Amino acid sequence: SQTIHQWPATLVQPVGSPLSLECTVEGTSNPNLYWYRQAAGRGLQLLFYSVGIGQISSEVPQNLSASRPQDRQFILSSKKLLLSDSGFYLCAWSLKGGEAFFGQGTRLTVV
Amino acid sequence: QKEVEQNSGPLSVPEGAIASLNCTYSDRVSQSFFWYRQYSGKSPELIMSIYSNGDKEDGRFTAQLNKASQYVSLLIRDSQPSDSATYLCAVRKGNNRLAFGKGNQVVVIP
Repeated sequence: SQTIHQWPATLVQPVGSPLSLECTVEGTSNPNLYWYRQAAGRGLQLLFYSVGIGQISSEVPQNLSASRPQDRQFILSSKKLLLSDSGFYLCAWSLKGGEAFFGQGTRLTVV
Repeated sequence: QKEVEQNSGPLSVPEGAIASLNCTYSDRVSQSFFWYRQYSGKSPELIMSIYSNGDKEDGRFTAQLNKASQYVSLLIRDSQPSDSATYLCAVRKGNNRLAFGKGNQVVVIP
């Protein structure tokens, strides 16, 4: 069966510090991978999605970036965090056209 | 117009009643439609997927799709307190993007 791992679960970072969130999927090959952000009381905002290694589509201009160095690994990064980057970050995977399944999420607080 | 719109405010239903949630989408080429349930502080979990016009039933849940009207709905029968959560409508476009609505909060009153 397929599983998705996302870590850490919670993170408190100072403004201006770097960020690296990692997500890995097990039990499937060539999945579509997604990073979403959910601000408090808001819906899911699609940040990045990837249909293959090295293929990243960006949805919203911002100080975040994503990379997919391996088939089942998706990384969200920032060089300098802003207060507005606080939120609940969710990684998800799907097979083409199918349902998406989410990791446990990372609650990021920028202070 | 938003890609995926869920306009209703919080929905309070008595235990045992039917909860009805609606969702509209803007892109006619959308092919796949999903409903997720999200408990407070947790990640969304898939409860229903629907790909063709009509109704799809799974236990107490029924999803309805009308592509001509660009409309998806979710019915929860015999609502239980454990159904209290936020329900997210999601739509997949042809380019693999998966867009979500803002969600509807459901509160089941014992």
